[in-house]
Amino acid sequence: EVQVVQSGGGLVKPGGSLRITCAVVGMSLSNAKLNWVRQAPGKGLEWVGRIKGEADGGTTDYAAFVKGRFTILRDDEKNTLDLQMDSLKTEDTALYYCLVGAKWGQGTLATVSS
Amino acid sequence: SYELTQPPSVSVSPGQTARITCSGDALPKQYAFWYQQRPGQAPVLIMYEDTKRPPGIPGRVSGSSSGTTVTLTISGVQAEDEADYYCQSTDINGIVVFGGGTKLTVL
Repeated sequence: EVQVVQSGGGLVKPGGSLRITCAVVGMSLSNAKLNWVRQAPGKGLEWVGRIKGEADGGTTDYAAFVKGRFTILRDDEKNTLDLQMDSLKTEDTALYYCLVGAKWGQGTLATVSS
Repeated sequence: SYELTQPPSVSVSPGQTARITCSGDALPKQYAFWYQQRPGQAPVLIMYEDTKRPPGIPGRVSGSSSGTTVTLTISGVQAEDEADYYCQSTDINGIVVFGGGTKLTVL
């Protein structure tokens, strides 16, 4: 069975940075469909970005609201997926989920507040 | 940008049938997926490729597709089915898109 475990996140001031890591057991990430999704308090699911598999070039795509501030990284040796979040804004406060294929991580809270 | 449209809420009595729709122009060409999210929990896949059930999902949960609309049907609704339901598909570039979510209330 595939297991997806997230770590990281926390509380940061506006303009700060946070990193969330998604560790996966039971499948290789190198050619999996990997996405990050967020959910602001009381709101719906919102796509953040994706990284393509190695066979498709490993390129990334991002939602317009995070472009240039967030970076998605995949480490094939560690079998992990990272979301590096820089220049954070209060409106980035949300639960962040990694989505590995159709399997969700447990969610990690990122709070941006002064 | 591409959008998927769901009704914000659906209410049914126990034992009745709940139908949740999701509309999008690309749905005739792109598969839809459905997720159930109970309060305080991560979403869980309950339907994929329009009509396929993952292991462990009961047979009273089904999916259908017609033109630009896909429908999640839950027969014999139980109290445990009360949750938020999200449809998800992709645009022509493979970018993930979610519907706004539907809150299913069991009266």
